[in-house]
Amino acid sequence: DVKVTQSSRYLVKRTGEKVFLECVQDMDHENMFWYRQDPGLGLRLIYFSYDVKMKEKGDIPEGYSVSREKKERFSLILESASTNQTSMYLCASSSPGSSYNEQFFGPGTRLTVL
Amino acid sequence: GQQLNQSPQSMFIQEGEDVSMNCTSSSIFNTWLWYKQEPGEGPVLLIALYKAGELTSNGRLTAQFGITRKDSFLNISASIPSDVGIYFCAGQLGSGNTPLVFGKGTRLSVIA
Repeated sequence: DVKVTQSSRYLVKRTGEKVFLECVQDMDHENMFWYRQDPGLGLRLIYFSYDVKMKEKGDIPEGYSVSREKKERFSLILESASTNQTSMYLCASSSPGSSYNEQFFGPGTRLTVL
Repeated sequence: GQQLNQSPQSMFIQEGEDVSMNCTSSSIFNTWLWYKQEPGEGPVLLIALYKAGELTSNGRLTAQFGITRKDSFLNISASIPSDVGIYFCAGQLGSGNTPLVFGKGTRLSVIA
């Protein structure tokens, strides 16, 4: 069974803290994505990666960075967390060889910044 | 970024009723996907469409890729309580590694 796992389901951090959100996939997928999900705004793409050590900005990269040192792992970093980064964060992966570009999602990390 | 207009934003329906939701865009898409997200989980793919005019079913779900390639709809027949969730449309403008564009979702509630 294909799997995308995220390191935490719930996280509470303080303003100014450095936050790491980890995502691991076991499907040997080349592509990995980070989204944030907010009520009424749907899924917004933060960053994505097509290969190890490679990253591309999505629609809302400000305040975030990413790291992809290994194919199976894609990390989202909040350098200095702010309250407006309180959100649900979803990681996804896909293979460029698939017919539909189907993205498989993790269960999400609900981050609260106080 | 690109926008997909998904409607309705939310629906409250009686168990057994049919449901229809749709997505439109000013851009032409090569692929349309429909996802469902249940509470506390990530979205899961329901149906994928990659040809204009294509009509595809998955159990009680039916989705179509619009002829103009700028829209898609999803129908759910004879709704049941486990249909509750948020339904997202997603489109791909290019091919291969082009990221998906997501609609804002339709929140479906089913009253038993």
